[in-house]
Amino acid sequence: DIQMTQSPSSLSASVGDRVAITCRASQDIRNHLGWYQQKPGKAPKRLIYTASTLQSGVPSRFSGSESGTEFTLTISSLQPEDFATYYCLQYNTYPWTFGQGTTVEIK
Amino acid sequence: EVQLVESGGALVQPGRSLRLSCATSGFSFDDYAMQWIRQAPGKGPEWVSGLNWNSNSIGYADSVKGRFTISRDAAKNSLYLQMDSLRVEDTALYYCAKGGTEWSPENWGQGTLVTVSS
Repeated sequence: DIQMTQSPSSLSASVGDRVAITCRASQDIRNHLGWYQQKPGKAPKRLIYTASTLQSGVPSRFSGSESGTEFTLTISSLQPEDFATYYCLQYNTYPWTFGQGTTVEIK
Repeated sequence: EVQLVESGGALVQPGRSLRLSCATSGFSFDDYAMQWIRQAPGKGPEWVSGLNWNSNSIGYADSVKGRFTISRDAAKNSLYLQMDSLRVEDTALYYCAKGGTEWSPENWGQGTLVTVSS
């Protein structure tokens, strides 16, 4: 099975900060990587798919990039509504696997 | 508007069976891959099972392989998950999700709660 190693597990940041979250795949997943945001009591919401394609309706401060088997979600200027938990998901090979999650907290 | 409504969650004893359903509307059900994803209390999401538009490609998490069966009924625009030999560790909120054009889950339901306990 493909392992997705996500880091950091949590981070504290201020409004306006630039933050980056990384997922590393244990093997090649091409660009079959999605990023999801989850707030308490809600279903996950897709932000990015195919590693770097912004989901319709998602603010442009969110972006995704890839370098080999390493994938990064960047929030260019953190907003109050961005404090949440973020997960990556590889959907290249069954079984699909999520990263362990990154909780973004207010500093 | 895409709508996914899960049902069938319940409190069941270990070893028993349960069938989850996901009623869909607002899109052409025949054209999209569908997934079941679960989330145990206080944990991250775990992909459980998925299938493509015509059920020719089906996958399961190792933790449920041989116990769970996914299926879809185009006539009813519905997705199902037959869960047998349930274990305490299957306790979770189960989400139904619709894939986007490139398969990754784009739309999610609100979930149905499965609790396995004696």
